[in-house]
Amino acid sequence: DIQMTQSPSTLSASVGDRVTITCRASQSISGWLAWYQQKPGKAPKLLIYKASSLERGVSSRFSGSGSGTEYTLTITSLQPDDFATYYCQQYNSYSRTFGQGTKVEIQ
Amino acid sequence: QVQLQESGPGLVKPSGTLSLICSVSGGSISSGNWFNWVRQPPGKGLEWIGEIDYSGSTNYNTSLKSRVTISVDRSKNQFSLKLTAVTAADTAIYFCARAVSWIDAFDIWGLGTSVTVSS
Repeated sequence: DIQMTQSPSTLSASVGDRVTITCRASQSISGWLAWYQQKPGKAPKLLIYKASSLERGVSSRFSGSGSGTEYTLTITSLQPDDFATYYCQQYNSYSRTFGQGTKVEIQ
Repeated sequence: QVQLQESGPGLVKPSGTLSLICSVSGGSISSGNWFNWVRQPPGKGLEWIGEIDYSGSTNYNTSLKSRVTISVDRSKNQFSLKLTAVTAADTAIYFCARAVSWIDAFDIWGLGTSVTVSS
């Protein structure tokens, strides 16, 4: 099975900051990578699919990039509503795996 | 607008079977989509359990495969999860979610249902 290593596990930032979260796959996933935002007590929300495609209705402050085994989620000009936990998720060979999550906290 | 809603017992005894249903409204279980189960233990991350398509084809997390069965009832527009031989480690919020094949990401989620394994 493909393993997803997400870093950092926790990130402290301030409103207005630019933050980057990284996800590394144990083997190439050919761009089949999604990013989700989850707030306490809520279901995850899709932000990015196919590594860099923005889900409809999601702020353009969120962007994704990467290929092969390395992927990043960038949030520009962090807003109060962005403080949450973020997960990457891969799809490959009829199996899906999530990263461990990154909690973005207020500094 | 498609919506998903989980239902089932909130308490299951150890060694018993966890059974949940996900009801699909605002649309049908149709080709081009995979219908998934994902869980989240208290204070921990997300774990994919498995998925089913409209024809009944399934894929499972290899770590759970021996205990998991996912089935679909298109006449009721529902899909279900059965997890056998449960232990306290299976205590979690269980979500159902749709993955659209052409993006292979979970675009629609249910609200989640809490299941506790305890005697």
